[in-house]
Amino acid sequence: QQQVKQSPQSLIVQKGGISIINCAYENTAFDYFPWYQQFPGKGPALLIAIRPDVSEKKEGRFTISFNKSAKQFSLHIMDSQPGDSATYFCAASNAGGTSYGKLTFGQGTILTVHP
Amino acid sequence: KAGVTQTPRYLIKTRGQQVTLSCSPISGHRSVSWYQQTPGQGLQFLFEYFSETQRNKGNFPGRFSGRQFSNSRSEMNVSTLELGDSALYLCASSLRQASYGYTFGSGTRLTVV
Repeated sequence: QQQVKQSPQSLIVQKGGISIINCAYENTAFDYFPWYQQFPGKGPALLIAIRPDVSEKKEGRFTISFNKSAKQFSLHIMDSQPGDSATYFCAASNAGGTSYGKLTFGQGTILTVHP
Repeated sequence: KAGVTQTPRYLIKTRGQQVTLSCSPISGHRSVSWYQQTPGQGLQFLFEYFSETQRNKGNFPGRFSGRQFSNSRSEMNVSTLELGDSALYLCASSLRQASYGYTFGSGTRLTVV
């Protein structure tokens, strides 16, 4: 029940295209859903996050769509650029409860954006 | 504003040895979490500290331990190293008592030979 399932494992997109990464969770106690971006040799960097009281959040070219009833959320990267090539992780936690620092991560998606 | 600083960046140890990794959180951040990242298991939560108290612990053996000091700096220790402990160990810090907005360091790459 603690798992977060992420798909696809890898994604190739042309410059200017839309990248879409999906995640599904089981634990209904999760109340915080962040997305992280990781470049080789670096730690994950927080991109954008959403709480279940909203269905969509947009920051620049990055949008999270959230479907509470389906227990799914997704990251959309509009106008994808070669500099977006990285590994993306979705995560979830019961941040308002007792998960104290524990993020449950998906397995990651390696995004490659071709020029 | 300095980010989360982890030292050392790289470490090579022999099976059976022990190792201590250090993490300096962002100034003012009081919550520090540790994660292990491997290609096979992904990112797995080790433990979290807030105001020198361990509030949460993941499913790792007792060989993995940690502590937090009064200045919020944290250390994690792995005793009796095994080959399978080879991983990137990541530290993350957050300003809030609740678990939002964690900022990660660049990690310590531990290789056990």
